[in-house]
Amino acid sequence: AQSVTQLGSHVSVSEGALVLLRCNYSSSVPPYLFWYVQYPNQGLQLLLKYTSAATLVKGINGFEAEFKKSETSFHLTKPSAHMSDAAEYFCAVNNRGSTLGRLYFGRGTQLTVWP
Amino acid sequence: ETGVTQSPTHLIKTRGQQVTLRCSSQSGHNTVSWYQQALGQGPQFIFQYYREEENGRGNFPPRFSGLQFPNYSSELNVNALELDDSALYLCASSPQSSGANEQYFGPGTRLTVT
Repeated sequence: AQSVTQLGSHVSVSEGALVLLRCNYSSSVPPYLFWYVQYPNQGLQLLLKYTSAATLVKGINGFEAEFKKSETSFHLTKPSAHMSDAAEYFCAVNNRGSTLGRLYFGRGTQLTVWP
Repeated sequence: ETGVTQSPTHLIKTRGQQVTLRCSSQSGHNTVSWYQQALGQGPQFIFQYYREEENGRGNFPPRFSGLQFPNYSSELNVNALELDDSALYLCASSPQSSGANEQYFGPGTRLTVT
């Protein structure tokens, strides 16, 4: 089974500062990788996904993530945080080549943005 | 284009009761997955339905069951409710059953078992 680790259950940044949310996966074969955001009392919204050779993936709302095979990582970044970015962020993976769209999620990182 | 919808939004049940949660998939999507999200945790995969058949199941007991209908909407049924079943239940649809496809999530149903 896949394992996803999100380092830091809570991250706090000032408005305008760099956002860095960490995600590591466990499998030896690089999986499909996703970042989702969850606002209070809402479902999950897809920010971006990695499924192919392009290691730097750009998503919505100015977020991007870089796939690093050697580090088994897929960290999420945003150059300048906005108050509206405050939410919970989940990294998720799915087995490459699988016909079952089963997502394995990390425990989430709560992002707080200070004015 | 209508997104994924779920009903009800909230409900409260008593231990031992049964509950049915409903999900309408996004237009054109034939695959529906259900996830359980306990407080402070990431979502956990319950099962997936593809073209009205169960396509895969996570580590949940048989009292969690489901259905998918010809219009690809779906139900999640939970029998003999336990206190630990209190959680947000998320439904997600995707264009087909493939690991590469992103899943589109509904707003969830918040279930409280007392």
